[in-house]
Amino acid sequence: DAKTTQPTSMDCAEGRAANLPCNHSTISGNEYVYWYRQIHSQGPQYIIHGLKNNETNEMASLIITEDRKSSTLILPHATLRDTAVYYCIVRVRRSGANNLFFGTGTRLTVIP
Amino acid sequence: ETGVTQSPTHLIKTRGQQVTLRCSSQSGHNTVSWYQQALGQGPQFIFQYYREEENGRGNFPPRFSGLQFPNYSSELNVNALELDDSALYLCASSLVAGADTQYFGPGTRLTVL
Repeated sequence: DAKTTQPTSMDCAEGRAANLPCNHSTISGNEYVYWYRQIHSQGPQYIIHGLKNNETNEMASLIITEDRKSSTLILPHATLRDTAVYYCIVRVRRSGANNLFFGTGTRLTVIP
Repeated sequence: ETGVTQSPTHLIKTRGQQVTLRCSSQSGHNTVSWYQQALGQGPQFIFQYYREEENGRGNFPPRFSGLQFPNYSSELNVNALELDDSALYLCASSLVAGADTQYFGPGTRLTVL
């Protein structure tokens, strides 16, 4: 599975949009981009995933560049409860294989 | 719907001992994965169980072993504990093997002295 590069930390003002970038320049054509987050003292939580089209759900939006070498997770109106470590993961969607390769992620701090 | 639960919450062992950690999967999920998370690092995949058989393993030695039971609950066993085994151990379940979404438990914090 391809490696990802994320900034170590970011701050965001409460109520503003949080834009978390991820570089995955070696991504293969059959690899998806997944985002998970981990709030302090909890297990990781799935947020969203996509292949090449932009995706949106109740938690966030995922914007993937046309060349698929990078993506941005957008939390449209960040709240204090969004303070967490955010992990960008690229993975082949393979039947039977659940393994996720987490990096060190981006620590997002939402500031009141 | 009950989420993924793990027990115990915290555990302290000494080097050389053996430990068993337990995980109860989310209802209806037949696949469970175990991860190790060292302090300040992201989770690392240990192995996965599907229908009571191991069907995927990360870069962990054989002293890390597991079981999955008919009710899809699971155990992680670690023999001959080393100091570096101190970590948060996370269990994740999914509806099927290879599913997009894995549901993680809160983890067990293991300290090896």
